Amino acid sequence: GAVVSQHPSRVICKSGTSVKIECRSLDFQATTMFWYRQFPKQSLMLMATSNEGSKATYEQGVEKDKFLINHASLTLSTLTVTSAHPEDSSFYICSARVADRGASNQPQHFGDGTRLSIL
Amino acid sequence: DAKTTQPPSMDCAEGRAANLPCNHSTISGNEYVYWYRQIHSQGPQYIIHGLKNNETNEMASLIITEDRKSSTLILPHATLRDTAVYYCIVRVNSGNTPLVFGKGTRLSVIA
Repeated sequence: GAVVSQHPSRVICKSGTSVKIECRSLDFQATTMFWYRQFPKQSLMLMATSNEGSKATYEQGVEKDKFLINHASLTLSTLTVTSAHPEDSSFYICSARVADRGASNQPQHFGDGTRLSIL
Repeated sequence: DAKTTQPPSMDCAEGRAANLPCNHSTISGNEYVYWYRQIHSQGPQYIIHGLKNNETNEMASLIITEDRKSSTLILPHATLRDTAVYYCIVRVNSGNTPLVFGKGTRLSVIA
């Protein structure tokens, strides 16, 4: 089945550091990838929709200059948390859907998430 | 906002069927019903989806009512490894439309 790989799985860094998270679709091409954030004991919250070759679309309340998204190829999207602070500590999860004509009802596949801890 | 309503938690005895309900009374004609689950500290795992017919795969069965206003996910023989949060999501049939997660149902399978 479709596999989405996310790296790193865990990051611990100092306040003010920028952190890059990679999301790869391993066995399929993904025109669209999605980034979610999950705080403890809460559900997943959509942060942005990433489209290959174009600018990402951010959800209301998500700072685009804070969370930089690059989707340079059909198999890779990156999320960079710039100048991270303790309140950015969270579980970040990426997701992708197969890019195929007529596949609009295909499921999204998720990575295993990146646990980001800012000290 | 999520368009589904699920009970916050359920218990199920190991080996028994787990029946997880979901209400989606405002579902549109072109929206599919998707079920995912999330085991602690992992990304969500796809289980099954359907439009109006009942569906079955190696993981579960999905029963959708005739009016499509509710559905039930059935895990036929629950195991301890099925303990997770289960999310019922409706999504419009469009390639760029993301899944919007509600609070889900926390299923605890008990030995």
